[in-house]
Formats: sequence, structure tokens, C-alpha cells
Amino acid sequence: NAGVTQTPKFQVLKTGQSMTLQCAQDMNHEYMSWYRQDPGMGLRLIHYSVGAGITDQGEVPNGYNVSRSTTEDFPLRLLSAAPSQTSVYFCASSFGGSGNTIYFGEGSWLTVV
Amino acid sequence: TQLLEQSPQFLSIQEGENLTVYCNSSSVFSSLQWYRQEPGEGPVLLVTVVTGGEVKKLKRLTFQFGDARKDRSLHITAAQPGDTGLYLCARNPQGAQKLVFGQGTRLTINP
Repeated sequence: NAGVTQTPKFQVLKTGQSMTLQCAQDMNHEYMSWYRQDPGMGLRLIHYSVGAGITDQGEVPNGYNVSRSTTEDFPLRLLSAAPSQTSVYFCASSFGGSGNTIYFGEGSWLTVV
Repeated sequence: TQLLEQSPQFLSIQEGENLTVYCNSSSVFSSLQWYRQEPGEGPVLLVTVVTGGEVKKLKRLTFQFGDARKDRSLHITAAQPGDTGLYLCARNPQGAQKLVFGQGTRLTINP
């Protein structure tokens, strides 16, 4: 009963490096999304997907890229890491439509130096 | 843009006391969600309440979504150390996964 699995849990990057945060869910959920959480700001939506092959931007998409080639996976790519991207990243998934519970992963702590 | 404002942002009280957390917004919306987040974990949905004054109870937690700003709240009765955590309100416009969160209330219950 894995739910939403994120890897890695912790990562330190140098400015300018690229990396991918992995997210996988085993609940056959259509909807998946990525949020970042910064102190005093709650969670903010980066990108989301309503199904395989469909992605769209959230509130803070700049510097991030996503793709959804399968229902299970929704990786988040940092193209050229910046210190402003130091944050905790959460992946979430749910069945489509309002009223369905959204499940979050345990988070990925990213530090850009 | 922060569309949901929670107050207080930090609250530290003694075990057994009561507390209320507010989630205010100038926007009109039909439902409100409350999440709880513990250190090192993702948010977990506690409840969804809909407009029109709905009240839901979850053990010692009472959630209310009234029309007045002061009536959008989470009330905890006889707080326990196990209630310690970050409480987040959120709205889910359009029914998709586009949650808009408040900045959170960090609650500490001291034994």
C-alpha cells in the first residue's frame, strides 16, 4: 500500500545543475500535481496533470518542467537550479473531479547552494 | 497571491485548553478543506466543509464554514499534545487538483 512515493527524500544541488524529482502513485489516479512549500507561505502549485499526456501550469511554474507519459508517474524537472528553488516539494494525486481526496507524498527536501 | 489568510500563524498553548484557528478570504467560494501536516510528512486531509454554515465534527475538532469571515474556522476542544502540527486550510477551485492554501497555523500543545 505505497500510495504516493517521492524520491529522493533529500538533495543538495549546486546553482545551475539540473535534476529530476520522481513521483509515482499506485492508486490509478488520473490527477497528479506538484507543490512547493516555503516557510510562511503554505503550499503553492507548480504544475498539474489531469491524465497521461496532459499537463498544465500552476501558480509558480517558472524554472520547472513536467511530463506525464504514464498514469503512474509524474516527474518534476529543475532545468537550471537556483537558490530560490530551495524548498520542500510535494507530489499529490487523486481521482478526478471535486469531492475526491487528494493524497500527498512525504516530500522532497531540496537545497540549492 | 495569497487568497486565504490564516490566523494565528503560530499558537502555543497548554494541554486541556481550547483554541480556534481562522481561515479568511475576500473571495467567494463554495467549499473549504482543512489539512494537518506533521514534520517530515505531507498534508493529510481532515475534512471538507461547504458554504451555508456547515459544521462538521471530528472528535474534539469542530470545523465551520459560515458566510461571515469569522465563521470559517477550526476549533479544538481540550487540546492534547497529539494535536501538535501544522494546520492548513485550502480551497479547491474548479474541482481539479489546483489547491490554493493558506499559509498555515503551527500549533504546539504543551503537556
